[in-house]
Amino acid sequence: DVKVTQSSRYLVKRTGEKVFLECVQDMDHENMFWYRQDPGLGLRLIYFSYDVKMKEKGDIPEGYSVSREKKERFSLILESASTNQTSMYLCASSLQGWNEQFFGPGTRLTVL
Amino acid sequence: GQSLEQPSEVTAVEGAIVQINCTYQTSGFYGLSWYQQHDGGAPTFLSYNGLDGLEETGRFSSFLSRSDSYGYLLLQELQMKDSASYFCAVHTGFQKLVFGTGTRLLVSP
Repeated sequence: DVKVTQSSRYLVKRTGEKVFLECVQDMDHENMFWYRQDPGLGLRLIYFSYDVKMKEKGDIPEGYSVSREKKERFSLILESASTNQTSMYLCASSLQGWNEQFFGPGTRLTVL
Repeated sequence: GQSLEQPSEVTAVEGAIVQINCTYQTSGFYGLSWYQQHDGGAPTFLSYNGLDGLEETGRFSSFLSRSDSYGYLLLQELQMKDSASYFCAVHTGFQKLVFGTGTRLLVSP
């Protein structure tokens, strides 16, 4: 079974803090994604990566950056957290050329 | 811009059939996927349609009409465990998905 794990289920941070969200997949998938999920807005793509050290902006990249130094790990960074970044963050991975994305359990981030 | 429209909520009883529609307007289209998400859980993949027509997987079927920019998910023989949110998602380019806002399905006894 494909397993996508995220470093925390719940996280509380203060405005202005630097926040790291980590995602690890164990199935050698080339593609990895970061989404945020908000009520009534569905899932929105923040960034994705199709290879190590490669990244592409998604639909809402402002205020975020990413890092992919190893194939299995994709990190989302909030350089200076703000209250409007309070959300559920979901990581996903997929195999090149496949349509199915596998999601992690999510990290609920609260920024106070 | 990109927009996907689906109903916000659908209710049905056990054993019934329910159809969740999705209309889309996107800058690129390579296919339509459906995902299921239970409360507190991760989205899980249900189906993919790249070509027009019906795809069947057990109790679930998914349909696509590219000319109408329209698709639907059909759930048959509903069970209580089918209560969840269902998202349509358009493949707009290189591995990229744009999700709808989700349809909450409530199945009652």
